[in-house]
Amino acid sequence: QSALTQPASVSGSPGQSITISCTGTSSDVGGYNYVSWYQHHPGKAPKLIIYDVNNRPSGVSNRFSGSKSGNTASLTISGLQSEDEADYYCSSYTRSSTLLFGGGTELTVL
Amino acid sequence: QLQLQESGPGLVKPSETLSLTCTVSDGSISSSTYYWGWIRQPPGKGLEWIASIYFSGSTHYNPSLKSRATISIDTSKNQFSLNLTSVTASDTAVYYCARPYVSVQLDGFDIWGQGIRVTVSS
Repeated sequence: QSALTQPASVSGSPGQSITISCTGTSSDVGGYNYVSWYQHHPGKAPKLIIYDVNNRPSGVSNRFSGSKSGNTASLTISGLQSEDEADYYCSSYTRSSTLLFGGGTELTVL
Repeated sequence: QLQLQESGPGLVKPSETLSLTCTVSDGSISSSTYYWGWIRQPPGKGLEWIASIYFSGSTHYNPSLKSRATISIDTSKNQFSLNLTSVTASDTAVYYCARPYVSVQLDGFDIWGQGIRVTVSS
């Protein structure tokens, strides 16, 4: 199974909004509402920020939001802050009852 | 708050078996209907899901690792484990154990161990 497709990098200025895409197929992203997003600061464990496409775990800022259209899921971060600078990964449940991660996107806050 | 802690060797020789254990504390591994998973990150690369096991013992594997990976659960010790056979340098990674936010679901890991760095080298 190939990794879900994410842009290698995105950037934005403080206060702006950015969107990271995550493209799969009808066998994963498009077929199920089981897409998650993680924020990963180097040297730390990943942090779940979105699950089931558009749900935030308790304690996660409402600046993070998720959506899906067809085979592509998206993570939007609004009101960018310097601490948002990190790597972001999407993941999806698949038809084969497995999990697939995206290749990761490096977010730079200018 | 449930906590996870990985343990195992930091250095494994090529062709040998990598064995890791995740100890669950401040909660019971068998008292709730959750999957328990292993994820890794090779140096400079992205996250890769390895395998997950249900509290009852049902397992799911990454197809690319299925022939070499075995995940198991020991409810008496409140632990679950990963064995990876015939390791090569490409298995060098930080290995994480994790549990999803929502019970009965494979995905959406919200509780993670701190990670254990494993190097495969002679």
